[in-house]
Amino acid sequence: EAGVVQSPRYKIIEKKQPVAFWCNPISGHNTLYWYLQNLGQGPELLIRYENEEAVDDSQLPKDRFSAERLKGVDSTLKIQPAELGDSAVYLCASSLNTDTQYFGPGTRLTVL
Amino acid sequence: SQQGEEDPQALSIQEGENATMNCSYKTSINNLQWYRQNSGRGLVHLILIRSNEREKHSGRLRVTLDTSKKSSSLLITASRAADTASYFCATDTGNQFYFGTGTSLTVIP
Repeated sequence: EAGVVQSPRYKIIEKKQPVAFWCNPISGHNTLYWYLQNLGQGPELLIRYENEEAVDDSQLPKDRFSAERLKGVDSTLKIQPAELGDSAVYLCASSLNTDTQYFGPGTRLTVL
Repeated sequence: SQQGEEDPQALSIQEGENATMNCSYKTSINNLQWYRQNSGRGLVHLILIRSNEREKHSGRLRVTLDTSKKSSSLLITASRAADTASYFCATDTGNQFYFGTGTSLTVIP
């Protein structure tokens, strides 16, 4: 069974540029999560989807971050414009309902 | 802010010894999960314990949950060098999901 796929694995951009991350969850998983993880800290939930619906986006900075999950499968997370403080690892995870989460390898974003 | 706090922040032990790490949280939960993260890698689920359970085992892992104290512990017995990683607890409140700050475990061969 294929795991959670994320791309790109690494991204370097200049501040004020836009950036997008893509996630393909495990087949059949209805719940999808986007996390931000800073070095030496635990992941922080940005948004959680149940099928196509964003059921928890309370921690998503909506002035610059947006996300979508078309057809309840793949998801994209966008930052526009990126700021220096957005440098982090962005993790995607999926689960069947809200039990065990399976994580992708993450996208390491560096904003210069 | 994160709900879970792990203790200790860092732990270094000799191979073969047991490792215990603790997690405290603030609000009522549906379940609590432990994850492992090797350096530069994604998180791997270890074990889930529900709010009506007090103890759970999986291989060399033993997890306890005390909902009255809002705390959980993860015990790794007979540690191996391959157990070197960061360990995170994560709480599911039903509405929200929080990871703790993590314990960095180093197992010295």
